[in-house]
Amino acid sequence: GDSVTQKEGLVTLTEGLPVMLNCTYQTIYSNAFLFWYVHYLNESPRLLLKSSTDNKRTEHQGFHATLHKSSSSFHLQKSSAQLSDSALYYCALSDPGGSNAKLTFGKGTKLSVKS
Amino acid sequence: GGIITQTPKFLIGQEGQKLTLKCQQNFNHDTMYWYRQDSGKGLRLIYYSITENDLQKGDLSEGYDASREKKSSFSLTVTSAQKNEMAVFLCASSPDRFSNERLFFGHGTKLSVL
Repeated sequence: GDSVTQKEGLVTLTEGLPVMLNCTYQTIYSNAFLFWYVHYLNESPRLLLKSSTDNKRTEHQGFHATLHKSSSSFHLQKSSAQLSDSALYYCALSDPGGSNAKLTFGKGTKLSVKS
Repeated sequence: GGIITQTPKFLIGQEGQKLTLKCQQNFNHDTMYWYRQDSGKGLRLIYYSITENDLQKGDLSEGYDASREKKSSFSLTVTSAQKNEMAVFLCASSPDRFSNERLFFGHGTKLSVL
């Protein structure tokens, strides 16, 4: 079945440093969608980025990610971390191959940005 | 815009108790989901429903029942709460009944079992 791996459970950074959260995946489908969801404390999780296009950079709210099908990766990056970026980040995979696709989430990476 | 409302926000139960969590959405979305969020385990799908009165089991359905009597509401029942269980249950909906490209989530119900 499909799987999503987020190696880091916790990433702690100083404000102003670059952010990179890793995401790799496994699926038999070539047309899978990859997502990043962000969950801020006391809010509901919401979509940050999504992509299904190989080697195309996707950007939103200062974050960006590029889907690389050759390496099955969809790492989330930001050039300069802000305190307000502290949150739980989930990488997820959608397999649109069936009549009811299920979203497979990674275990999540908690980003903690300190001053 | 729309909103997903989960009730209650906090739920404290006793071991062995049957507990019901409710979710309402006013997006008029076809598909609704219940996820369980545990630290270090990510979001795991318990049940989902593609339309009124439809129920589909997710990866974590054992120990849970669900009900979708109306398009706008989706309830989840913990059939027998486990001692010291702590988790957040997230309800979500999506506009398209055949894929879930984008999920809209509620704020969650935090469960603690004494």
